[in-house]
Amino acid sequence: ETGVTQTPRHLVMGMTNKKSLKCEQHLGHNAMYWYKQSAKKPLELMFVYSLEERVENNSVPSRFSPECPNSSHLFLHLHTLQPEDSALYLCASSQVTTGLEETQYFGPGTRLLVL
Amino acid sequence: GIQVEQSPPDLILQEGANSTLRCNFSDSVNNLQWFHQNPWGQLINLFYIPSGTKQNGRLSATTVATERYSLLYISSSQTTDSGVYFCAVEGGGTSYGKLTFGQGTILTVHP
Repeated sequence: ETGVTQTPRHLVMGMTNKKSLKCEQHLGHNAMYWYKQSAKKPLELMFVYSLEERVENNSVPSRFSPECPNSSHLFLHLHTLQPEDSALYLCASSQVTTGLEETQYFGPGTRLLVL
Repeated sequence: GIQVEQSPPDLILQEGANSTLRCNFSDSVNNLQWFHQNPWGQLINLFYIPSGTKQNGRLSATTVATERYSLLYISSSQTTDSGVYFCAVEGGGTSYGKLTFGQGTILTVHP
């Protein structure tokens, strides 16, 4: 498989559930990102991992917990979510190298509904 | 943080028409990308263009970094061009791809 893949594509969960979103990139990139896209709002950057280290955490509630075990995989662990967390969660990757083009490539997203 | 404004917010065209989408940003940037989001939510890269002009088929983009704006041109629009177009920038002070997105332009092309 090529590019950036995400599973599951759709997820419905209750507020007491624990679930995880998975992202995998097949592009040999060294940085991965989680974004949240809510209705009527622009994409919001949640977390950035560069060389497997978290370099950005944009004031995201602790009920969202990222994990980057290696440069190809990124997880978003979810627990005790709220209905307002329902959104499209997008993963992206890029090659961050000074002086070179750093295009971000996005996965297809996971549509999350919290009941 | 850096601010990104896109205009117009909505655009309705007849097939075959040309259009220009604009992105204004509030500070110097070292990364600017244009994306197209299709109805299924997939974001597709169109251009990486922190400065200069690029063309790809019916699409072209120009960024004037000194004046802090970028333009996306769509010529001879087709119904498959419908969707949301996003501009995203990374401010000059970061180096790990921290993109800030604009609100997007919703484009509808009618046959």
